[in-house]
Amino acid sequence: DAGVTQSPTHLIKTRGQQVTLRCSPKSGHDTVSWYQQALGQGPQFIFQYYEEEERQRGNFPDRFSGHQFPNYSSELNVNALLLGDSALYLCASSLLIGGKETQYFGPGTRLLVL
Amino acid sequence: LAKTTQPISMDSYEGQEVNITCSHNNIATNDYITWYQQFPSQGPRFIIQGYKTKVTNEVASLFIPADRKSSTLSLPRVSLSDTAVYYCLVGDLGGSSNTGKLIFGQGTTLQVKP
Repeated sequence: DAGVTQSPTHLIKTRGQQVTLRCSPKSGHDTVSWYQQALGQGPQFIFQYYEEEERQRGNFPDRFSGHQFPNYSSELNVNALLLGDSALYLCASSLLIGGKETQYFGPGTRLLVL
Repeated sequence: LAKTTQPISMDSYEGQEVNITCSHNNIATNDYITWYQQFPSQGPRFIIQGYKTKVTNEVASLFIPADRKSSTLSLPRVSLSDTAVYYCLVGDLGGSSNTGKLIFGQGTTLQVKP
């Protein structure tokens, strides 16, 4: 049973560029959440997608956008990259079962903005 | 969302039992307690989850007192490979507007020494 996968594993961009990160959820999961983790900090919630719509959003600017496809995979897009966007970007998938929903994380994509 | 407080760091030796306590005084009736483990540059790994009393799986035990205002993650006979950051999270895992929005704190950095 494949877990959550993310691509690419590493990425280097320059300020002002745009980036797209991809996530495939764990088999059977229908919900995808995205997190940003700066060095030495805990992950911060960006947003969550369910049924191809953004269900919740954290305190991130509109430069951060996403999409969920019919097969439940998801993309995170970041426009006009800033140096401060350098971080580990984590995707987590989940499925509501028995009234609760546990998130399982992928390995992350390390983004470096120069 | 309930806030959690846990020690910033802990040291242990191989073969010892490690107990990490998390305080969550404002836990709500529908909140579950979830613990994740994270190694450097990897995504958090789900360890254990509980609502009340005691939960045990193949890697850890979770003790939750009757008032649920704290919880203790117990790792039996730790090894060097258990050196990681451990996060305690509290939240409603299903059926509310806050579903899916995991709030991570700083976590507890556990250092296991030989």
